[in-house]
Amino acid sequence: GAVVSQHPSRVICKSGTSVKIECRSLDFQATTMFWYRQFPKQSLMLMATSNEGSKATYEQGVEKDKFLINHASLTLSTLTVTSAHPEDSSFYICSARDGQDRANGYTFGSGTRLTVV
Amino acid sequence: AQKVTQAQTEISVVEKEDVTLDCVYETRDTTYYLFWYKQPPSGELVFLIRRNSFDEQNEISGRYSWNFQKSTSSFNFTITASQVVDSAVYFCALSDSGAGSYQLTFGKGTKLSVIP
Repeated sequence: GAVVSQHPSRVICKSGTSVKIECRSLDFQATTMFWYRQFPKQSLMLMATSNEGSKATYEQGVEKDKFLINHASLTLSTLTVTSAHPEDSSFYICSARDGQDRANGYTFGSGTRLTVV
Repeated sequence: AQKVTQAQTEISVVEKEDVTLDCVYETRDTTYYLFWYKQPPSGELVFLIRRNSFDEQNEISGRYSWNFQKSTSSFNFTITASQVVDSAVYFCALSDSGAGSYQLTFGKGTKLSVIP
């Protein structure tokens, strides 16, 4: 079945530094990638949607200059948290959809737990 | 606008009891998809089921069953003879065309605790 590999699974960084999270679709072409953020005991909130080769569409309230999304190929999307601060500490999850299968095509990565100290 | 409501924030049951998790959705689309995911403490999302809006047949998979009722916009999930390993947060989600990219809209989740 479809697999999305997300790295790193955990990262601790110092306030003010940048962190890059990668999501790779291993056996399908991820024409669309979704990035979610989940705070403790809360639901998944969509941050942005990206289509391969085009700029990401950010949800209201998500700073595009702070959360840089690159979807340069059909198998790789990256989320960079720039100048991270403690309030950015959260669980980040990517989801990839195979353009050929809208219904079943939401494959999730295993998530990245970011702690900013 | 699409919306998913999981009114039960937390549920505790004793092992072997049956439990039903409720999900109510809102959408203007006639074609849409509903999903259930399980999120154990490790954090990864485990896909459980997908149902399209034209298929109202209930589904059973082992101890899991789903009741889709378009008339009440509900897609409830029942676990029969619950086990400790069922303890997790369960999310109901909706995918429709409202946002253009068929993104998933999640409910707030129901935390299920199965007590031995």
